[in-house]
Amino acid sequence: ELQLVESGGGLVEPGRSLRLSCAASGFRFDDYAMHWVRQAPGKGLEWVSGLTSNSDNIGYVDSVKGRFTISRDNAKNSLYLEMNSLRDDDTALYYCAKGRHAISVFLDLWGRGTLVTVSS
Amino acid sequence: EIVLTQSPATLSLSPGERATLSCRASQSVSSFLAWYQQKPGQAPRLLIHDATDRATGIPARFSGSGSGTDFTLTISSLEPEDFAVYFCQLRDNWRGTFGQGTRVQIK
Repeated sequence: ELQLVESGGGLVEPGRSLRLSCAASGFRFDDYAMHWVRQAPGKGLEWVSGLTSNSDNIGYVDSVKGRFTISRDNAKNSLYLEMNSLRDDDTALYYCAKGRHAISVFLDLWGRGTLVTVSS
Repeated sequence: EIVLTQSPATLSLSPGERATLSCRASQSVSSFLAWYQQKPGQAPRLLIHDATDRATGIPARFSGSGSGTDFTLTISSLEPEDFAVYFCQLRDNWRGTFGQGTRVQIK
């Protein structure tokens, strides 16, 4: 069964750091681009970051550039998001999602999400 | 940065009616546009990619059209399970910006 399972969310104070992980199974992980998308409570979707299958291309939404770092470990079938200098407006449900192919930003498999709450 | 604008914000229709959702880009995105459906408490589901191609397992009542800056998602005859929020998404270099969404609700 194709599956993505996120972990690492929680309550964190502004200015602190958090590392999200996404474990993939049921497909050949190193053949596909991977992405993080977030959704603030009651709001729409925001693409956060993504990288190609071999990590040659990496992108970030402007609001997280310099604070968040995406990475992947193809040997462990895992995707990561290192989040530093967290702000209140980073509070959201963070989804891990799979691209349709090695360089796609269109997302055909999603996890259930992990909730990040930034608050003092 | 290319911005996507979806309209209308809310569409009130009855089951069996045709739904027409619009997504407009501030610059041409060629055919690099996708549509997603999201129901409450669930992750989004890919419906259409590359403007017109249905994703695997998506019913034929969903269709996408358009290129350049103007795109449309059409649901030919609404089923009860189609009442949800719909998002468009573009590819801009290596960014995947979403529109703000259209809610399709029961009239």
